[in-house]
Amino acid sequence: NAGVTQTPKFQVLKTGQSMTLQCAQDMNHNSMYWYRQDPGMGLRLIYYSASEGTTDKGEVPNGYNVSRLNKREFSLRLESAAPSQTSVYFCASHKRDRGEAFFGQGTRLTVV
Amino acid sequence: GENVGLHLPTLSVQEGDNSIINCAYSNSASDYFIWYKQESGKGPQFIIDIRSNMDKRQGQRVTVLLNKTVKHLSLQIAATQPGDSAVYFCAAMYSGGGADGLTFGKGTHLIIQP
Repeated sequence: NAGVTQTPKFQVLKTGQSMTLQCAQDMNHNSMYWYRQDPGMGLRLIYYSASEGTTDKGEVPNGYNVSRLNKREFSLRLESAAPSQTSVYFCASHKRDRGEAFFGQGTRLTVV
Repeated sequence: GENVGLHLPTLSVQEGDNSIINCAYSNSASDYFIWYKQESGKGPQFIIDIRSNMDKRQGQRVTVLLNKTVKHLSLQIAATQPGDSAVYFCAAMYSGGGADGLTFGKGTHLIIQP
């Protein structure tokens, strides 16, 4: 049982480059999330998907796009990376009515 | 939307003592509250949850208290051990779904003194 699988684990980008962070869960969860974690800021919600085909903006969506093509996968795209997007990114999922979320291992992204 | 906050960024306790970590939330519609533990270099892990129809729930060495009147919840850890050293987050959500999803507070770093 893999749980939530997030790739890549580390990434260095130059300003202006684009990339997609991949996330997949095998627990048949409806709800999936992308968070970013910065020192002293806790976990800030970027985007949320309540079910396949639906997405909602969170607290810090600017500069990001997401795609929930199926129930398993929820990807996060940075179209033109900026140094302010240097952070650790976490994908998470849970059942619709349960807050017991399962997190991926995180992606440490550095934009230079 | 929901705004979840923790009262202290850092809490230092002696090994063997009890720890209490506090959290406040703002949205009266939130009806489900969860505590997570995050160890260095890892993603957060579920500890315990409580729904708004309860005011107390106990797990193994942990107890969560919920006071809906003042929108406050706390996590109590009994007989703190070195392995409890981590950052603890509270989170809130409305179980009926909605755009806010699962909202986290900023976290309290629990430091265990030998």
